[in-house]
Amino acid sequence: DQQVKQNSPSLSVQEGRISILNCDYTNSMFDYFLWYKKYPAEGPTFLISISSIKDKNEDGRFTVFLNKSAKHLSLHIVPSQPGDSAVYFCAASARTGGSYIPTFGRGTSLIVHP
Amino acid sequence: KAGVTQTPRYLIKTRGQQVTLSCSPISGHRSVSWYQQTPGQGLQFLFEYFSETQRNKGNFPGRFSGRQFSNSRSEMNVSTLELGDSALYLCASRGSVGNTEAFFGQGTRLTVV
Repeated sequence: DQQVKQNSPSLSVQEGRISILNCDYTNSMFDYFLWYKKYPAEGPTFLISISSIKDKNEDGRFTVFLNKSAKHLSLHIVPSQPGDSAVYFCAASARTGGSYIPTFGRGTSLIVHP
Repeated sequence: KAGVTQTPRYLIKTRGQQVTLSCSPISGHRSVSWYQQTPGQGLQFLFEYFSETQRNKGNFPGRFSGRQFSNSRSEMNVSTLELGDSALYLCASRGSVGNTEAFFGQGTRLTVV
């Protein structure tokens, strides 16, 4: 059973517009959330994270919003650029045996058109 | 500072064979995790090692095993390969098990024929 769901396998956006990537989770024990970006033939790279004690975290063009009551988080990219075209993975983690092991969604492929 | 290094990058094996993949974490990082990525399945957690001890394990059969050496380098072994084991295997390192951010290598693309 998927604990982290990214229901949109793909998203297409025009350059300069906002990209909104969504993620839902089911495990209420998750208390730390991350977004990773992956280009083909490369490993995922960390993008931005948020702790469950916050509802928003911003880093440049990237903002992550967390709605704990809805068990939902989203990544906003404003403005979107062609170089943002990649697969975005949402991950959620809870402290298990002293370790934070992230559980990943299946990813959303973002295509930003020039 | 060098990143996470995985070798080899690509591998083709025959069903029934075994394979060993290698991962060198970022210098100073002591936690190494392994993930399997297949099309449409996202990244599935295999196991985590810290200080040469397996700390956590995902839901994979016993054919998947790993180990970590005193220099924090890790190896993952898959025995009796099946066609369904074809995947991208990713290694991630963290400074410690309590760190929340993981740094990934480029992965090893395993194809089983």
